Amino acid sequence: NAGVMQNPRHLVRRRGQEARLRCSPMKGHSHVYWYRQLPEEGLKFMVYLQKENIIDESGMPKERFSAEFPKEGPSILRIQQVVRGDSAAYFCASSADTQYFGPGTRLTVL
Amino acid sequence: AQKITQTQPGMFVQEKEAVTLDCTYDTSDPSYGLFWYKQPSSGEMIFLIYQGSYDQQNATEGRYSLNFQKARKSANLVISASQLGDSAMYFCAMREGLYSGGGADGLTFGKGTHLIIQP
Repeated sequence: NAGVMQNPRHLVRRRGQEARLRCSPMKGHSHVYWYRQLPEEGLKFMVYLQKENIIDESGMPKERFSAEFPKEGPSILRIQQVVRGDSAAYFCASSADTQYFGPGTRLTVL
Repeated sequence: AQKITQTQPGMFVQEKEAVTLDCTYDTSDPSYGLFWYKQPSSGEMIFLIYQGSYDQQNATEGRYSLNFQKARKSANLVISASQLGDSAMYFCAMREGLYSGGGADGLTFGKGTHLIIQP
């Protein structure tokens, strides 16, 4: 029973490029959450999605960030025109009840 | 105001001793859930234990137990017989509106406690 899958595990981008982070939930889970963890900090909620619907995006920055969870395929967190301040670990969690986390994607912006 | 407060940035504990990691929370919602996660140096977030606000008994999972004191709004994690492999960051988290359908959908995390177990 595979857990939550995230790829890539590490991503390096130059300022101004786009970053795409993927998350495949656990089998049977239809709820996906994205969180961001800055160095030495706890996780901060960004967005909650169900298939084809954004349920709560109250934690998403207003610009450059978007998320989707299509009917088929993984959930995607997309960051356009990345800046150095976007460097962080991005975690995806899926749930039927308790949230189980993926291994995270560590984004470094040069 | 902080919704989740973890007052211990770091702790050193001798192997085989019991450890208590503090967590206090702030909510006006009567229905909420409290979670503890472990983050080892490899970076993944590992779910440890859950306590619902209406649960009558304190949650236990193997060597982990949650000392839930509702009136004090505290949910301390207790690790019995600590092991070297317990060295990690530990995060307390809360989800509000668990049964009412309201509240935030995501978890609110504390800043974490860095636990180091010494041989």
